[in-house]
Amino acid sequence: QVQLQESGPGLVKPSETLSLTCAVSGSSISSRNYWGWIRQSPGKGLEWIGSINQSGNTYYHPSLKSRVTISLDRSKNQFSLSLTSMTAADTALYYCVRGGGVAAAGQTGPVNWGQGSLVAVSS
Amino acid sequence: AIRLTQSPSSVSASTGDRVTITCRASQGISNYLGWYQQKPGKAPKLLIYAAFTLQSGVPSRFSGSGSGTDFTLTISSLQSEDYATYYCQQYYGYPLTFGGGTKVEIK
Repeated sequence: QVQLQESGPGLVKPSETLSLTCAVSGSSISSRNYWGWIRQSPGKGLEWIGSINQSGNTYYHPSLKSRVTISLDRSKNQFSLSLTSMTAADTALYYCVRGGGVAAAGQTGPVNWGQGSLVAVSS
Repeated sequence: AIRLTQSPSSVSASTGDRVTITCRASQGISNYLGWYQQKPGKAPKLLIYAAFTLQSGVPSRFSGSGSGTDFTLTISSLQSEDYATYYCQQYYGYPLTFGGGTKVEIK
């Protein structure tokens, strides 16, 4: 059974960079999978941030593309999210997921989810 | 981006009721649509993928249908554990997008 666990700071100052890590167990991140990040603002819906596949190819939401980097750490079987220039609008619950590719790549959408990491942006 | 519009935004129903939620895509997405259930304080859980394929372990009272732009999630006989918010999600193209959610509440 695939399990994911997010870790990172709960509070980030405006203009700073958010760094989150997702530890994966039950599957190798080098296996044929996509790994991604999705966020949910308080009381609001779900927003896909971006995904990375086992080859390191990345796909980002156009509205966040200039600020987002997703990377793999094969030695630790984890992947990471970096989001620069944080503002209050980035306050959200951040989920890491297995999945996040498109049907043309043989994917079916996010299957496994972490429990979420709450990130607040405040000075 | 492909926009997904869910209706209704909320529904009040009693245990045993049949509940239907619809999801309309702004362009054709074939059958590349999933449905998720989210309970308060929990991560979303995949119920259905490819519009009608039940994820392993999901009760058979859940079913999905549709193709192209119009999709439906049906709960045939609502149980107490089904009170939650439901989201549709398309994986036809990037950016991946979700519907706005439908909250199923106790009547």
